[in-house]
Amino acid sequence: KNQVEQSPQSLIILEGKNCTLQCNYTVSPFSNLRWYKQDTGRGPVSLTIMTFSENTKSNGRYTATLDADTKQSSLHITASQLSDSASYICVVSDRGSTLGRLYFGRGTQLTVWP
Amino acid sequence: EADIYQTPRYLVIGTGKKITLECSQTMGHDKMYWYQQDPGMELHLIHYSYGVNSTEKGDLSSESTVSRIRTEHFPLTLESARPSHTSQYLCASSGLRTSASYEQYFGPGTRLTVT
Repeated sequence: KNQVEQSPQSLIILEGKNCTLQCNYTVSPFSNLRWYKQDTGRGPVSLTIMTFSENTKSNGRYTATLDADTKQSSLHITASQLSDSASYICVVSDRGSTLGRLYFGRGTQLTVWP
Repeated sequence: EADIYQTPRYLVIGTGKKITLECSQTMGHDKMYWYQQDPGMELHLIHYSYGVNSTEKGDLSSESTVSRIRTEHFPLTLESARPSHTSQYLCASSGLRTSASYEQYFGPGTRLTVT
């Protein structure tokens, strides 16, 4: 069964600190992995997307890593800001899906305190 | 910011009422999707469409129905709302191939509460 597991479920950090969120998946055959940011009451917004051959990708203060051998990914947030408070969702797409169907994790709820 | 819109944003309605959740996109995307999301849980695909006159059921069984008469419009209808339908409904679209797969853009969602 294709699954995406994220940890921790929730995280509280102080403004200016760094943090790392984890994602493990069993989706096969693997096509790509995305990290989305979802603000409360809003739809998810894409942060990064990585294919099998990519092991790191950055988007400003967000850096995602991918280890396709161990089927693990992480999202590192540098110098956190209050606006980073949101749910971060790991999403994996399988290679056999021409539709582009996605497998979603439950997300890590990040809270940044001043 | 993607050009995909959902209305209403919030809806509180009584049991047995018929409701339609609207979703429109101005990007000319062929593929559109409806997801259901409960608090703290993952998104579940309930309907999708490859294009005009194409509709398919997703992974999660749903009593709702959809239609795709125009490329830009993908409404979701519940004939008789029940409290078990209380959830957040997210619409998405895709059409641009990015990194070997199609990037999905999400609308802001409709928070439905059935009393």
